[in-house]
Amino acid sequence: QVHLVESGGGVVQPGRSLRLSCAASGFTFRNYGMHWVRQAPGKGLEWVAVIWYDGSEKYYADSVRGRFTISRDNSKNTLYLQMNSLRAEDMAVYYCARSQGQQMDHWGQGTLVNVSS
Amino acid sequence: QSALTQPPSVSASPGQKVTISCSGSSSNIGYNYVSWYQHLPGTVPKPLIYENDKRPSGIPDRFSGSKSGTSATLGITGLQTGDEADYYCGTWDSSLSAWMFGGGTKVTVL
Repeated sequence: QVHLVESGGGVVQPGRSLRLSCAASGFTFRNYGMHWVRQAPGKGLEWVAVIWYDGSEKYYADSVRGRFTISRDNSKNTLYLQMNSLRAEDMAVYYCARSQGQQMDHWGQGTLVNVSS
Repeated sequence: QSALTQPPSVSASPGQKVTISCSGSSSNIGYNYVSWYQHLPGTVPKPLIYENDKRPSGIPDRFSGSKSGTSATLGITGLQTGDEADYYCGTWDSSLSAWMFGGGTKVTVL
């Protein structure tokens, strides 16, 4: 079955960088677009970024554009989110989710990013 | 980017029905499919509805979705205590080239 496992979260100081990974299994990864979605403490779901199945297109939320980069390695079945210039407001649980048409049909368990000095 | 508009909360007694609205615009709901997600704190968001009104396998028919123009609605009938959660609508915005989530609606079973 579809399995998505995020990793790379942790405590990081404001202004520093962090790279999240999402390991995919149970499906043909290279055939699917992938999203990153986050939820800050006490807040709702916020979409972060999406990447097309082949990496040809990438789109970002205004709040992260220019600071975050989504990428993928289809040979490793892995999705990435490079997060630079982190701010306190980036603190959240980050989920990766598979894109199936116009829905997110499978989600990982999430990884916590804590931005704190 | 503006989120889609949902009521912050709805409530009803066990066995009753609730509906959750999701209001958008011509570039998002009016042009693309809507999906709905159930999220309990500390758990993984669960897809409930896709392509406006379709249920993934395993989702009971107590959950239904509809769309009209630039608005969508999630209905939950036969409300159960296990339905207490936050519910989010989502869709793609073709003008912004961005995914949109609603602000979320907390369902409380009285």
